[in-house]
Amino acid sequence: NAGVMQNPRHLVRRRGQEARLRCSPMKGHSHVYWYRQLPEEGLKFMVYLQKENIIDESGMPKERFSAEFPKEGPSILRIQQVVRGDSAAYFCASSPPTRDGYTFGSGTRLTVV
Amino acid sequence: AQSVAQPEDQVNVAEGNPLTVKCTYSVSGNPYLFWYVQYPNRGLQFLLKYITGDNLVKGSYGFEAEFNKSQTSFHLKKPSALVSDSALYFCAVFGGYQKVTFGIGTKLQVIP
Repeated sequence: NAGVMQNPRHLVRRRGQEARLRCSPMKGHSHVYWYRQLPEEGLKFMVYLQKENIIDESGMPKERFSAEFPKEGPSILRIQQVVRGDSAAYFCASSPPTRDGYTFGSGTRLTVV
Repeated sequence: AQSVAQPEDQVNVAEGNPLTVKCTYSVSGNPYLFWYVQYPNRGLQFLLKYITGDNLVKGSYGFEAEFNKSQTSFHLKKPSALVSDSALYFCAVFGGYQKVTFGIGTKLQVIP
């Protein structure tokens, strides 16, 4: 079992470009969560998705950020028109429908220059 | 709303001494509690969890945590610290929804 796979590990974007972060959950996991980690701020919840549904996006910024988890393929976190403040580590986690087995990926470190 | 507090930004302990990393929580209903560890430039690794049962939970790498319902605490402990334990530790709570809320993290520094 390959675990939760995130790619790319590192992503550099210029201000105004788009960033796409991908997350493939563990086999058998149908729930995906995205978190953002900023220095000195811990882990902040962004969005919780199941296949083809956004369950909770209370942590997503209102503009420029979107997420999807299609029927086929990985979950995508998309950031349009990136700004320097978007620079952070973005972590994905997945779980089965039970409360157990909440597993994290290694993260994508986004740097906006 | 559920929340987690880790009152110490950093904990310093000498190698071989016991360590404690504190965590208190607030949640409606019965809590599921977790500890994760993050090494530099790495993802989060699961250490241990409390769901039901014995209040003392044993986890990976010799760590344990004690669930105290009256004090709403779930402190992480280890009897003898190693330099390799130096990392960032996150406490997390999972209440009535499948969304885990994390604390801000505590940096553990084990001094040789």
